[in-house]
Amino acid sequence: GQQVMQIPQYQHVQEGEDFTTYCNSSTTLSNIQWYKQRPGGHPVFLIQLVKSGEVKKQKRLTFQFGEAKKNSSLHITATQTTDVGTYFCARGTGGFKTIFGAGTRLFVKA
Amino acid sequence: DTEVTQTPKHLVMGMTNKKSLKCEQHMGHRAMYWYKQKAKKPPELMFVYSYEKLSINESVPSRFSPECPNSSLLNLHLHALQPEDSALYLCASTSSGPRETQYFGPGTRLLVL
Repeated sequence: GQQVMQIPQYQHVQEGEDFTTYCNSSTTLSNIQWYKQRPGGHPVFLIQLVKSGEVKKQKRLTFQFGEAKKNSSLHITATQTTDVGTYFCARGTGGFKTIFGAGTRLFVKA
Repeated sequence: DTEVTQTPKHLVMGMTNKKSLKCEQHMGHRAMYWYKQKAKKPPELMFVYSYEKLSINESVPSRFSPECPNSSLLNLHLHALQPEDSALYLCASTSSGPRETQYFGPGTRLLVL
């Protein structure tokens, strides 16, 4: 119902390679948020997408929201060791709840 | 100040102990949250306070008791916990609701023996 499916569960990349994580929902999303959690750290808000087809960039990170507002992606160009961590997508519900995807753990080998 | 602070950073307690986790924010946010996060899992919502009133309780066992003394403070009282309650407990706040940016505190790592 309200769950968001996130894939892959984890990914190992060589430093300099690109990385993408995907978030999918069976229902239309009003918004999608992305968070990064470093090992041993806490989730840090990266961005929120609300418009159909929206694309936002933050340096090497590109966030997309699908035209049907049922999927989203986070793409990192030329990964660096500082990108290591778990990336979560999250959906807001009509109330105060935020439902997190399972997360994608990114490992970057120098 | 865009910081949410939590104390203590680490806590070890026995199953018969009573302890409290504290969270504080001075951003004027009106919604505050408690999450539980197990290793390699996403945060799971426990409680939400909106304007100092409990808005959501995600069927959390009564051994966890939240309290919001004022708009800047959020406590989580712990009593008779089980070893499976060991986790990272995260506090978060938003200006009004979940569509706003959630600011997370660093969390309290709890170990129940």
